[in-house]
Amino acid sequence: LAKTTQPISMDSYEGQEVNITCSHNNIATNDYITWYQQFPSQGPRFIIQGYKTKVTNEVASLFIPADRKSSTLSLPRVSLSDTAVYYCLVGAAGYSSASKIIFGSGTRLSIRP
Amino acid sequence: ETGVTQSPTHLIKTRGQQVTLRCSSQSGHNTVSWYQQALGQGPQFIFQYYREEENGRGNFPPRFSGLQFPNYSSELNVNALELDDSALYLCASSPRRDSPSTDTQYFGPGTRLTVL
Repeated sequence: LAKTTQPISMDSYEGQEVNITCSHNNIATNDYITWYQQFPSQGPRFIIQGYKTKVTNEVASLFIPADRKSSTLSLPRVSLSDTAVYYCLVGAAGYSSASKIIFGSGTRLSIRP
Repeated sequence: ETGVTQSPTHLIKTRGQQVTLRCSSQSGHNTVSWYQQALGQGPQFIFQYYREEENGRGNFPPRFSGLQFPNYSSELNVNALELDDSALYLCASSPRRDSPSTDTQYFGPGTRLTVL
């Protein structure tokens, strides 16, 4: 199983770029990397997913180095509303992997004015 | 488009009782997964259903069981409740049959279960 390690918490200020790194040393060849965001008393919300190099969407970028043993979620110009817990997940495609999903404890991001 | 809904919002039970939690999938989604989230922890995968059949299971005992109905709504049943079952129970639906680690999952707001 590909376990992930993230910082427990991070602080930043409005308007800054925030980078959250996730370590996944045992990532397998067919594993994808997915990030979710969770606000208090809500279910997680999908942010971004990638396999290698860089992926960008309207809310974030995901950087994955060539060895894929880590990944970095980048949030540009954060606002107070980005205060949340961010989870990094690693897993393979295919329903046979359904039992292997691991969310971990996530990174608690706090944004200050 | 209606999102994932769960009921009830909150529930209080006592040890040894049984509980049923309900989930309505997002329109067009045929796969549903259930998660348990203890306070301060990440969600833990319980099981997934695809077209009314269990499609994968996490490390949870058999007293955690589920159903998926022809309209793709779902139930989570927990028998013989224990104090450690107190948690937020999340339901997530996705539009295709695949691993929840690569599907985009759409989560409901959860049901907060307290076991006394």
